Amino acid sequence: EAGVTQSPTHLIKTRGQQATLRCSPISGHTSVYWYQQALGLGLQFLLWYDEGEERNRGNFPPRFSGRQFPNYSSELNVNALELEDSALYLCASSLAGDSYNEQFFGPGTRLTVL
Amino acid sequence: KNEVEQSPQNLTAQEGEFITINCSYSVGISALHWLQQHPGGGIVSLFMLSSGKKKHGRLIATINIQEKHSSLHITASHPRDSAVYICAKGRAQKLVFGQGTRLTINP
Repeated sequence: EAGVTQSPTHLIKTRGQQATLRCSPISGHTSVYWYQQALGLGLQFLLWYDEGEERNRGNFPPRFSGRQFPNYSSELNVNALELEDSALYLCASSLAGDSYNEQFFGPGTRLTVL
Repeated sequence: KNEVEQSPQNLTAQEGEFITINCSYSVGISALHWLQQHPGGGIVSLFMLSSGKKKHGRLIATINIQEKHSSLHITASHPRDSAVYICAKGRAQKLVFGQGTRLTINP
């Protein structure tokens, strides 16, 4: 069974541009989570999507947004990129997110903002 | 103070040693997760537990709800166990992570 996949693996942008990151969950999983891991910092929760809707978001500005498609894949968009947005962005998926379901992580997208 | 604190931050040991990584949290939880992150960045979920103890191969995770403390143990450690181990608390939809423990096992 295929795991969580993310694309691209690496992404280089300049300050002020927009970045789009993609995630495909494990088949059968309806919840997708996005996390940011900036250099020297721990993982921080970004967004949670379930059944096509944003259910919760972490302490990030509105220029971090995303969506979940009918096939449960998800996109994370970061507008007006800033240097400090450089980080590893991890996506995870699980069965419905309202219970104690284990999350399965993708390999991540490393975003570099120059 | 972080909601989730791990210790030690860094741990170096020799192959074969018994390893213990600790995780303390300040607020009651619904579940506690242990994750492993390899140098390339990929994360693997090791355990999710809300009480007692779980074992998988050479890995054992325990949790004490009253003391708000969890431990991850590795028996007969091996260089391939070298990774960052992260504990996280919370329900599936909003995990709060510790800073991680960087484990290096030397042959």
